[in-house]
Amino acid sequence: DVKVTQSSRYLVKRTGEKVFLECVQDMDHENMFWYRQDPGLGLRLIYFSYDVKMKEKGDIPEGYSVSREKKERFSLILESASTNQTSMYLCASSHDRWYGYTFGSGTRLTVV
Amino acid sequence: QKEVEQDPGPLSVPEGAIVSLNCTYSNSAFQYFMWYRQYSRKGPELLMYTYSSGNKEDGRFTAQVDKSSKYISLFIRDSQPSDSATYLCAMRGGAGSYQLTFGKGTKLSVIP
Repeated sequence: DVKVTQSSRYLVKRTGEKVFLECVQDMDHENMFWYRQDPGLGLRLIYFSYDVKMKEKGDIPEGYSVSREKKERFSLILESASTNQTSMYLCASSHDRWYGYTFGSGTRLTVV
Repeated sequence: QKEVEQDPGPLSVPEGAIVSLNCTYSNSAFQYFMWYRQYSRKGPELLMYTYSSGNKEDGRFTAQVDKSSKYISLFIRDSQPSDSATYLCAMRGGAGSYQLTFGKGTKLSVIP
């Protein structure tokens, strides 16, 4: 089975900190995605990547950046964490355009 | 009008009931339809995947797509407490389509 691993299940960070969320997939998927999930708002796409060193903005990229130096790793960076970035963050990957995503278990980030 | 509409529930049913979960959509370009199941504090997992109109059955689960009405359904027969989760519909277009569009999810509780 494809595995998507997010490095932390729970994180607590202070306002203004730079935060790194790491995601690794082990099945050579080309496509990787970062979402946040909030009650009542559903999944919202932050950034995605179809290849190494390639990135595209999603629906809510403000306050975030990403890095994809290797095919298996896709990092989400909160440049200066704010309380409104408290959320569940989900990483996903997919092999090609015709199949669904495989999600990681999520990182619940709290910014205080 | 939102691209994908899904009643958030919550939906509460007794064990053994037949459950019907639904989504409507507005984009006639959608061709691939999926249902994800998300347990509390976990990432979504792909449950069912269908292409174009018709039915697909997998054990107690049946996915139904009516493209003429832009309506998709997930039926769960003989529902179990272990089916208690949030169910998200997702869909994508054909050639050139890279991303999934998600519904916001329906929270289901199956009461023993």
